[in-house]
Amino acid sequence: RKEVEQDPGPFNVPEGATVAFNCTYSNSASQSFFWYRQDCRKEPKLLMSVYSSGNEDGRFTAQLNRASQYISLLIRDSKLSDSATYLCVVNGDYDYKLSFGAGTTVTVRA
Amino acid sequence: DAGITQSPRHKVTETGTPVTLRCHQTENHRYMYWYRQDPGHGLRLIHYSYGVKDTDKGEVSDGYSVSRSKTEDFLLTLESATSSQTSVYFCAISGASGGTSTDTQYFGPGTRLTVL
Repeated sequence: RKEVEQDPGPFNVPEGATVAFNCTYSNSASQSFFWYRQDCRKEPKLLMSVYSSGNEDGRFTAQLNRASQYISLLIRDSKLSDSATYLCVVNGDYDYKLSFGAGTTVTVRA
Repeated sequence: DAGITQSPRHKVTETGTPVTLRCHQTENHRYMYWYRQDPGHGLRLIHYSYGVKDTDKGEVSDGYSVSRSKTEDFLLTLESATSSQTSVYFCAISGASGGTSTDTQYFGPGTRLTVL
């Protein structure tokens, strides 16, 4: 079983729509959770950390469900520039070692 | 953006040749990592370093070695490249001083390696 699993998508949505997707993780001891964004042929970049109480950053909302071991990302009012692959990231045995999901691709169309 | 560079950015080589990739940081971060990214697999950790001369294996370390003789440089070597090592290689850093979380990682621009 992979440590972090994501629906690969793609999620094709029109501009202005809301899109949401989850990832599941297997290590119940994980304490740190992140969403990274990766544009085509570019390096991953931190989008946001995910906190236990859930958190927002502009149009992006992240939630953590420890009981069911999943995290979610919701994007409101989608923009063309939101088109990217979103990587779910969870820490493993040590804080500085992270496990990455394979990514969920989102395409926003005009 | 974190000051991380990788060289070369692109390389084509032949099976059996040695290859060294370089990661250089100007951020004085303690931890450095080498990942490979392949379709359907996400990023997989090859090796990491938790200090000068301190390194350890990741989940896909076979066929790779690393060295870190200075805080700012982390080298990844493929002793005898194989076609299965064709991939995109990313370096990452974490562990800023001054109270920042040690587990947020920042990535370099990547190296595209093709082994023929």
